[in-house]
Parts: sequence; structure tokens; C-alpha cells
Amino acid sequence: AQKVTQAQTEISVVEKEDVTLDCVYETRDTTYYLFWYKQPPSGELVFLIRRNSFDEQNEISGRYSWNFQKSTSSFNFTITASQVVDSAVYFCALSGGFRGGGNKLTFGTGTQLKVEL
Amino acid sequence: GAGVSQSPSNKVTEKGKDVELRCDPISGHTALYWYRQSLGQGLEFLIYFQGNSAPDKSGLPSDRFSAERTGGSVSTLTIQRTQQEDSAVYLCASSLVPLAGVGYNEQFFGPGTRLTVL
Repeated sequence: AQKVTQAQTEISVVEKEDVTLDCVYETRDTTYYLFWYKQPPSGELVFLIRRNSFDEQNEISGRYSWNFQKSTSSFNFTITASQVVDSAVYFCALSGGFRGGGNKLTFGTGTQLKVEL
Repeated sequence: GAGVSQSPSNKVTEKGKDVELRCDPISGHTALYWYRQSLGQGLEFLIYFQGNSAPDKSGLPSDRFSAERTGGSVSTLTIQRTQQEDSAVYLCASSLVPLAGVGYNEQFFGPGTRLTVL
């Protein structure tokens, strides 16, 4: 069975602060994929990043960065210099690669990020 | 090109009634997924279609839920005899064919249908 845990239910920060969203996963698959999605108040899921299990290189995209550590089964997401527009629910998700179920995603429960002025 | 579309965007129904939710995937996407987002259960997988067949229905919560896909395109999720616990946002996603073995094709999500059962 696969499981994704996002222990932080809600985080509030002041604009320009850095914030890290935690994600811990469980899987028996040797090949898997990890994702972060953003869900703004409009409700639509916006894809942010995908990482393969065999590539632990960290990634930076503008103010966003991701730290993938297989040793601790974690895939944390950091927003640098947060902005009000970053306010949203962020979901971490896991896919165990192709099987009869295609690439179905297992989601964490989400972290509500509130960035205030 | 157009993204994944879903209709209706909102649906309010009375307990015991049947509802149909529609998903139009991105053209050329052979894989289609239904997910449900509810307060109590978070975001959960319901069913996966590859073409018109559904090799994985493991997420359907009860036999009141069914789905079909025709012409390898449009999919309909039907909930019979709706219950209040069915209230949720139903999300559809589509992708190119999942790659066998190692590989992944991105899932693109629609805006969802918000279902409220009174």
C-alpha cells in the first residue's frame, strides 16, 4: 500500500518569509514518482513538480525548491520569500508507476498555506 | 488546446436521487482518472480508464458508483441513490497512455464538479 503524510495541516507566515512544507511517503515500489500540486481558492489542481525515485537531485525553480531524500522517504517543498499569491492548499502525491491502475495518484491530506501582509 | 472540462460545475441534489457527472478529457489522451475530494477523506482515487475499459475500479466506494467511457473520450460517473456522504468535489484527470515499466505521463486535472446532496 502507498501512503503520503503531510503532517502540517495549516501554516501561516508573513509575506517574504521562507516556508517549508513537509511530505513523507511510504511505498514498496522501487520505481515511483513524487509530485506537488497547488490548489488555489479557485479549486483547480495545478501541477508544480514531478520527481523520479531514481533521481534524488534537488530542484529549484524560481522561488520554489524541492528536497528529495530517499533515506528518510521525504519530499519537502520550500517557498522562498513567500507572497500572498502563494496562499493555497498544497498537496504532495505519489504514483507507483505503471500497473493495471495506470499512474493513479495517492495524495496527502494537504497543507493550507496562508501568506499574510 | 482545450484542457479537461467537466460538467456541471455544481450539482445540488436530494438524497436518494441519481446523478451523472461528465468529463471531457484532452483530445488524444487515452488515460482518464476520476478522483474525489471530500472534507473527511481528502483527495482519493476512484477509477482509471484506459481507452473504454476500466482496469482499476478499486477506488469506487460502493456499488452505487459506476462509470463508463465511450469512444475513448467522454466519461460519465454515475452515482445512484445519492447519500449525504457523497457530497464532495469530483475531479477528472487525463493523460497520454501510461508508460509500461518505467515512465510517467502527466495527469491534467479538470476544474471539478461540486456535488451537494441535501
